[in-house]
Amino acid sequence: GQNIDQPTEMTATEGAIVQINCTYQTSGFNGLFWYQQHAGEAPTFLSYNVLDGLEEKGRFSSFLSRSKGYSYLLLKELQMKDSASYLCAVLASGGSYIPTFGRGTSLIVHP
Amino acid sequence: DVKVTQSSRYLVKRTGEKVFLECVQDMDHENMFWYRQDPGLGLRLIYFSYDVKMKEKGDIPEGYSVSREKKERFSLILESASTNQTSMYLCASSLQGTGNTIYFGEGSWLTVV
Repeated sequence: GQNIDQPTEMTATEGAIVQINCTYQTSGFNGLFWYQQHAGEAPTFLSYNVLDGLEEKGRFSSFLSRSKGYSYLLLKELQMKDSASYLCAVLASGGSYIPTFGRGTSLIVHP
Repeated sequence: DVKVTQSSRYLVKRTGEKVFLECVQDMDHENMFWYRQDPGLGLRLIYFSYDVKMKEKGDIPEGYSVSREKKERFSLILESASTNQTSMYLCASSLQGTGNTIYFGEGSWLTVV
């Protein structure tokens, strides 16, 4: 089976930094996605990690440790528009193209 | 620009009705997916297709069927809608092969009364 855990909800202040964690236990590993989803809208792609380490993309960075089954999404210089749900999704067994999604973390950014 | 289009944004149907949710992608993607999203449960895979006329069950296929007669179109069918199928339905597509980004449609909000 597959198990993906994320915190349900987080709050942060505008301008601050927030780290959203994702831990996973899967049969094999073939990469991890982060998606952003605003209320009532479709999820949009943020990042994909398949190798250990940090990938930076503007204000957003994503980190992966395969040995620990752990990833985080780091959001810097938070803006009000960053209030959204953040979904972690894992590609499990070799060759799989079907991600399994976590339940998502609802991030609330307040002034 | 990539585009996954779901035909209906909001639907209200009666219990027992047959419901069709249509999805079209213009990216020539091989893979297409149907998910439902419910509060506290996240995204759950209903069915997926990796080629025309091919389909595979996901995690929660009961009460649903799908059709993929053309590469760009993937339809989700509720043969006899029930109130527990009230949900947001998301269609998605991706290129064949692992690690490719999955692109989502805007979602269809279905209410069964």
